[in-house]
Amino acid sequence: AQKVTQAQTEISVVEKEDVTLDCVYETRDTTYYLFWYKQPPSGELVFLIRRNSFDEQNEISGRYSWNFQKSTSSFNFTITASQVVDSAVYFCALSEAYTGANSKLTFGKGITLSVRP
Amino acid sequence: ETGVTQTPRHLVMGMTNKKSLKCEQHLGHNAMYWYKQSAKKPLELMFVYSLEERVENNSVPSRFSPECPNSSHLFLHLHTLQPEDSALYLCASSRRGSDTQYFGPGTRLTVL
Repeated sequence: AQKVTQAQTEISVVEKEDVTLDCVYETRDTTYYLFWYKQPPSGELVFLIRRNSFDEQNEISGRYSWNFQKSTSSFNFTITASQVVDSAVYFCALSEAYTGANSKLTFGKGITLSVRP
Repeated sequence: ETGVTQTPRHLVMGMTNKKSLKCEQHLGHNAMYWYKQSAKKPLELMFVYSLEERVENNSVPSRFSPECPNSSHLFLHLHTLQPEDSALYLCASSRRGSDTQYFGPGTRLTVL
């Protein structure tokens, strides 16, 4: 069975601080995909990144960066120089290898990030 | 981004009411999903439709009845709900051949 653990439940930082959101996953599949979504107070889950299990290169997109380490089954998300607009709930998710016409995501419980001015 | 829209955004209903939630995707996707998000709980997948056929029903009570008339529209018909059904209901869609799901803004449902 697949499982995603986001051990941090709430994080509070002051603007301009860097913050890392942790994600640890479990799967028996050798091919899988990892995701991060952001849920601002408006409610919509916003897709941030998708990473496949064969690509362990770290990725950077502006102030966001992701560190994927298969050896520790982790896919951590770092926000550099945080801003108030980064305040949201962040979900890590795992998908088994695509086998059909629809996908199947297993979500973590989410981390509530509060960035104070 | 208005790829997936949901209406209404907020809904208050009594336990004897019948109402429907609507989801529409403008992304050309062919799989659609209903999720329930309750406070302090992980996202719960309720239903999956693929090419307009229901392919998954995760033990959802019969007071929730989904309908997918075409690949762009998904409904969730509600009747005789309970207060514990109060939650944010999220719709998502994905394209055949991809596992990335795109979500709508959700309907905040309150059952009195």
